[in-house]
Amino acid sequence: GAVVSQHPSWVICKSGTSVKIECRSLDFQATTMFWYRQFPKQSLMLMATSNEGSKATYEQGVEKDKFLINHASLTLSTLTVTSAHPEDSSFYICSATGRDRQPQHFGDGTRLSIL
Amino acid sequence: DAKTTQPPSMDCAEGRAANLPCNHSTISGNEYVYWYRQIHSQGPQYIIHGLKNNETNEMASLIITEDRKSSTLILPHATLRDTAVYYCIVRVLNNAGNMLTFGGGTRLMVKP
Repeated sequence: GAVVSQHPSWVICKSGTSVKIECRSLDFQATTMFWYRQFPKQSLMLMATSNEGSKATYEQGVEKDKFLINHASLTLSTLTVTSAHPEDSSFYICSATGRDRQPQHFGDGTRLSIL
Repeated sequence: DAKTTQPPSMDCAEGRAANLPCNHSTISGNEYVYWYRQIHSQGPQYIIHGLKNNETNEMASLIITEDRKSSTLILPHATLRDTAVYYCIVRVLNNAGNMLTFGGGTRLMVKP
C-alpha cells in the first residue's frame, strides 16, 4: 500500500530555532500534500494544503510566514516552523494523495517540543 | 463536507466484533464515507471507504444504510492492537485532493 514517510519523528529544540519537517511519498506521486497539527487530546486540525509546484493554501488563523511550506517535487513537501516558541509545541502530521483519487495516506507524525 | 456524528467512546472485548456507528444525515449524493483510525502517537491510518455499497477489505467491513444517512465500521475480531480513535469522514472523491475534516472520532478500547 501507499507509504508516506515523515522525518524527524520527534525534535526538541530551544525557543527561537527554526525547524524543518520533511514529508515524502515513497511509492506514488503526491500531487497534493496536507499538513495537520494536533494538540494533546484533540483532533487533527488542517493547517495548509500544498499542490506540487504552486504556493500552499493556508487555513484561517495559520500564519504563512511562520509555517513555511514547500512542495517542490511530486514526492517531497517540507514544513518549516520559523522562530519556534513553546506554544508551537505540537504533533505535526502530513498526508499525501495522488492523481488517481486514492485515499489520503498519512505520515507517522513529528512531535515538536520547544523549550 | 457533510458533518458526521460518532459516539465519543466504546469498549469491546478482545476477539469479539467491534461495531462503530457513524451518522451522516446530511451527506450528499457524491460524497463518500471514509474511515481512518489513529493509534496513540501515530498518524492516522486509512481503513476503508465506500459510496453506497457495502465494502470489505482485509482490515474491516463497511456497512452503509440504504438511505446513506449512517454507516457502521465492523472489525470482525478485535484485538488489543485495534485500540485507537476511529474517525468517520465524508467527502467528495475527485482528483482535486480534497482535505479531510476530522471530528472527534470514537475512542475504541479493546479489553482482554
